[in-house]
Amino acid sequence: DTGVSQNPRHKITKRGQNVTFRCDPISEHNRLYWYRQTLGQGPEFLTYFQNEAQLEKSRLLSDRFSAERPKGSFSTLEIQRTEQGDSAMYLCASSLAILHFDTEQFFGPGTRLTVL
Amino acid sequence: TQLLEQSPQFLSIQEGENLTVYCNSSSVFSSLQWYRQEPGEGPVLLVTVVTGGEVKKLKRLTFQFGDARKDSSLHITAAQPGDTGLYLCAGVVNNNDMRFGAGTRLTVKP
Repeated sequence: DTGVSQNPRHKITKRGQNVTFRCDPISEHNRLYWYRQTLGQGPEFLTYFQNEAQLEKSRLLSDRFSAERPKGSFSTLEIQRTEQGDSAMYLCASSLAILHFDTEQFFGPGTRLTVL
Repeated sequence: TQLLEQSPQFLSIQEGENLTVYCNSSSVFSSLQWYRQEPGEGPVLLVTVVTGGEVKKLKRLTFQFGDARKDSSLHITAAQPGDTGLYLCAGVVNNNDMRFGAGTRLTVKP
C-alpha cells in the first residue's frame, strides 16, 4: 500500500454540474476525513467517517455536499449544483483510531476542483 | 478567526539562514502536529508533539510544544532550498477534531 490516493487529481466543471471525487485510504485505517483547502488557507474540516459511519459533519458542508463510505473502505464526496465558490482543493486523509483515540492523519494528494 | 494563528504568513530567506515560525492559540490541545505542503500536493506530516514543554528534533528542524499546550514553534537551522514549502500546524481537540492554521509560506533562495 502506497498511501492515500485520490481521483481525479484535477476536475474542471461548469457551474450547476455535479461532481464526484473518490478517496482510497490506507488499507488498515478505520477513519477517513475530508477537508477543503482554498488558496492561502490551511485545510478546513468537512466530515469524517469511522468505518462506514459518518460521525461528524462541519457546518461548511452544505446540503449540496454528500459523502459516503459504504463498505468502510473507499469514500466518495459528491457536490451537486456546483458553484464558483466550491473551487478549492479537496483533501482526503486517513488514520487508525484505537478505542476512541485517533492517531496521525495521512493525507492524499488532493483533488483540485475548478468551477467555471 | 482562526483557532490557530501562524506567523509569519510569508517568509523569504537565503540559504544557510536560520528561522523560526510560530503557531499560537488560546485553546489547549491534546496534541499538535506540523505538516509541510508543496504546491498541488497534500500535507505531509513532519512531527506530532503531545506533552507540554516537549522538544523534538528532526535533522535541522526543532519543534517545541508550549508548556500550556496552547502554542508551538518550529525552528529550522541552516535552511536549504529543499525546505521551501507551506508549513502548517494543526491542533487536535477532544482526540478527534483537528484544526489547521493558515500556514507559513517559506521560500529559501539559493
